[in-house]
Amino acid sequence: KAGVTQTPRYLIKTRGQQVTLSCSPISGHRSVSWYQQTPGQGLQFLFEYFSETQRNKGNFPGRFSGRQFSNSRSEMNVSTLELGDSALYLCASSLAGNWDEQYFGPGTRLTVT
Amino acid sequence: AQSVTQPDIHITVSEGASLELRCNYSYGATPLFWYVQSPGQGLQLLLKYFSGDTLVQGIKGFEAEFKRSQSSFNLRKPSVHWSDAAEYFCAVGAGAAGNKLTFGGGTRVLVKP
Repeated sequence: KAGVTQTPRYLIKTRGQQVTLSCSPISGHRSVSWYQQTPGQGLQFLFEYFSETQRNKGNFPGRFSGRQFSNSRSEMNVSTLELGDSALYLCASSLAGNWDEQYFGPGTRLTVT
Repeated sequence: AQSVTQPDIHITVSEGASLELRCNYSYGATPLFWYVQSPGQGLQLLLKYFSGDTLVQGIKGFEAEFKRSQSSFNLRKPSVHWSDAAEYFCAVGAGAAGNKLTFGGGTRVLVKP
C-alpha cells in the first residue's frame, strides 16, 4: 500500500506570493491533517479535514487555508507569504475515527525569500 | 489547553545502553503518543496510550509508562541501536474529536558507537 505522498517536496517562493501544497492520503483514509514544523515553534497543528469538511483548526491566521476533495486528497494554501512561513509542512492521514493512527508524509519544504 | 513538555532537548547515549526520554503532560491530558522523526523523514507513531494498562508496548522495542502521580509519560528502550538516532516527539490529543495533536518540543537522540 502506498504511503502518504506530498507534492512538491521542495518549493522556493518570494514574499507576497501564494503557494498551494498537495497531499494524497493512503488509500481508504478519509482524514487528512496538516502541520507546520519550524526550528523555533516546533510542530504546530494547522487543520484537519474529514469527508471534505474541516473538523479541527489550529491557531494560524486566515492566510492559511485548506480543502479536501471527494477522493480525500487535500490541498493547503498560503496567501501573501511571509518570511516566517518558511517551514516543513507535513501532512498526515488516518482512517476516519478519533485518534486513529496517523501516517505522515515526508513533507514539503517551503522556503520564502 | 492540554499540553506536553519534553524537558530534554538533546540526549546522547552509547549504543547498547538504555534510553529514557521524558515527557510531562498537563492535567487530564490523554490520549498520549510518542512519535519518531528520522532525518529527512516524516513522523512515525511508536506507541499510544488511551487508558487502562499504564505500561504500553510499541514498535521497535520501545515502551512507555503513564504515571498519573508524576504527570509523566516517559519513553524507554532497554538497548539502543545506531538506527535509533532521531528526534522523538511526545504528543497529546487535543479537541473533543478528530485527530488534532499538540506536540512537545522534541528530544534529539544521538547514539555514540
